[in-house]
Amino acid sequence: AQRVTQPEKLLSVFKGAPVELKCNYSYSGSPELFWYVQYSRQRLQLLLRHISRESIKGFTADLNKGETSFHLKKPFAQEEDSAMYYCALSGGETSGSRLTFGEGTQLTVNP
Amino acid sequence: NAGVTQTPKFRVLKTGQSMTLLCAQDMNHEYMYWYRQDPGMGLRLIHYSVGEGTTAKGEVPDGYNVSRLKKQNFLLGLESAAPSQTSVYFCASNARGRAYGYTFGSGTRLTVV
Repeated sequence: AQRVTQPEKLLSVFKGAPVELKCNYSYSGSPELFWYVQYSRQRLQLLLRHISRESIKGFTADLNKGETSFHLKKPFAQEEDSAMYYCALSGGETSGSRLTFGEGTQLTVNP
Repeated sequence: NAGVTQTPKFRVLKTGQSMTLLCAQDMNHEYMYWYRQDPGMGLRLIHYSVGEGTTAKGEVPDGYNVSRLKKQNFLLGLESAAPSQTSVYFCASNARGRAYGYTFGSGTRLTVV
């Protein structure tokens, strides 16, 4: 079974402060990990995926297989980063590319 | 290019009533999914489809049925609505072999009273 855990439901930081959204997963095979973001009144959209090892909007995430974690980080938070963030895992094509989502973390960046 | 369109956007049902949520995509995606979003529980997969005429159960399928008669449409049915089905429902589609290619609809907010 695949499972994703985001231990923080709410996270509040000040503008310019570093931010880290935690994500832990359990999966017996080689997972694909993603971060999705949902801004207020908008649909979910992909933020980044571990395979691409890219930085989007200043966010990065590194897959740590030893700790089974995929934490999302940004060195200097901006007010426009306020949103709901979901970590998600896919078991790949054999599972119909289904995504298993974490509980979500509501990030608030205060001015 | 509309992407993924969900109808209706809002609905209030009485307990025991039935309804169908429609998801339509114009990207020729093979895979389609229905999720429900509840506070503190994230998104949970209800049913999904890997192609026209095929459906499969997800994590929380009880109380829901689905059909994929046409490749572009994925219908979610509630035969006898219950208050526990009050939620926001999201449809998504994806091209085969691209887990990162999920495109989400804007959601349907359903309240069962």
